[in-house]
Amino acid sequence: DGGITQSPKYLFRKEGQNVTLSCEQNLNHDAMYWYRQDPGQGLRLIYYSQIVNDFQKGDIAEGYSVSREKKESFPLTVTSAQKNPTAFYLCASSLGGGNTGELFFGEGSRLTVL
Amino acid sequence: GDSVTQMEGPVTLSEEAFLTINCTYTATGYPSLFWYVQYPGEGLQLLLKATKADDKGSNKGFEATYRKETTSFHLEKGSVQVSDSAVYFCALSDNPGGYNKLIFGAGTRLAVHP
Repeated sequence: DGGITQSPKYLFRKEGQNVTLSCEQNLNHDAMYWYRQDPGQGLRLIYYSQIVNDFQKGDIAEGYSVSREKKESFPLTVTSAQKNPTAFYLCASSLGGGNTGELFFGEGSRLTVL
Repeated sequence: GDSVTQMEGPVTLSEEAFLTINCTYTATGYPSLFWYVQYPGEGLQLLLKATKADDKGSNKGFEATYRKETTSFHLEKGSVQVSDSAVYFCALSDNPGGYNKLIFGAGTRLAVHP
């Protein structure tokens, strides 16, 4: 079945460590996104990528990095510079330009800093 | 900038009750509007959408009408079920026809009791 796969589902990190969250899609979508979800705050955009080898900062990019070397993959690295990394991270994808805004989401990765 | 405001939750209802979740938006252009639903422990799924004024989106018994004059997109269902218990997010796309940087509301948790 087509969809978005995020891994791991749960991740624990010690302070000072970098961690990488995986996001893979087989929907042949051009655009991919990373959102962060905190209780009571909805979703906030971290980074997005419209095409391979190109990505843009979202509203809360500080302390995060991404790469887009393949169309299917958009990994997110949470660096030690991110001061409050404990959150639920959601990856999404969409068709390229001309569509009406539907995003397809993965099931999320919950990161806890110990 | 563009924004979405939802009614605060949680909303607690008995089965078969009528549901309304209010959503208003601020946008400089003519956004597309969406309702997404998040079931416990999962990512978000598109519930319904409307792309222009007076459009009504509907799915699974839920409805919402794009009201440009009141900048609203309230979600309604005539008879809720326990299985509708979830978090509901209102969102807008500020670049319809382009790449979709959705702006989300904070979410409204719905709990339906038998």
